[in-house]
Amino acid sequence: AQTVTQSQPEMSVQEAETVTLSCTYDTSESDYYLFWYKQPPSRQMILVIRQEAYKQQNATENRFSVNFQKAAKSFSLKISDSQLGDAAMYFCAYRRGSAAAGNKLTFGGGTRVLVKP
Amino acid sequence: DVKVTQSSRYLVKRTGEKVFLECVQDMDHENMFWYRQDPGLGLRLIYFSYDVKMKEKGDIPEGYSVSREKKERFSLILESASTNQTSMYLCASSDQVLARSPNFGPGTRLTVT
Repeated sequence: AQTVTQSQPEMSVQEAETVTLSCTYDTSESDYYLFWYKQPPSRQMILVIRQEAYKQQNATENRFSVNFQKAAKSFSLKISDSQLGDAAMYFCAYRRGSAAAGNKLTFGGGTRVLVKP
Repeated sequence: DVKVTQSSRYLVKRTGEKVFLECVQDMDHENMFWYRQDPGLGLRLIYFSYDVKMKEKGDIPEGYSVSREKKERFSLILESASTNQTSMYLCASSDQVLARSPNFGPGTRLTVT
């Protein structure tokens, strides 16, 4: 079974600075998808960024970028120019790349990001 | 815009009560999921359904059951609520495109006293 680990329960960053959240995963598969989600106090899960394992290029979405290291099974999220609105829980998630019943996601334990003004 | 709605944002129930959590999606998605969210543990899959009347156990199905009589609706049932089921419950739905993220509901915070 796949497992996803986020080793940082909480991270603090100064406004306008950069913070990096770590995520490692365990899988025997070569084809899969990785996701980062943001959950603000409203509790609504919001997709931040997605990475396909077959793509070597790291995904980028505005101030959010990932460092995908397939051999190391590592998928870190970098938030640049942090804003107060970035304060939230962040979850890393894994989905296998072959179609299976349900196409479920496996989540890490989450990292709370605090942004200091 | 895909909408996943959950019947309650907050719910307080007594130990031993039968509890129904309802989830409805409006995008004709095949797959629906119930997750439980606890601090430090992230989201853990309770049950999922990939078609009407089809269901599969997730990682923590004990104490729960589900029902999917119509494609748009997926219900989570706590047959006899216990205090250790106090948690946040998130519903999600997805189509068959693996690269596409599921859509999540707003969550139900359930307290069992």
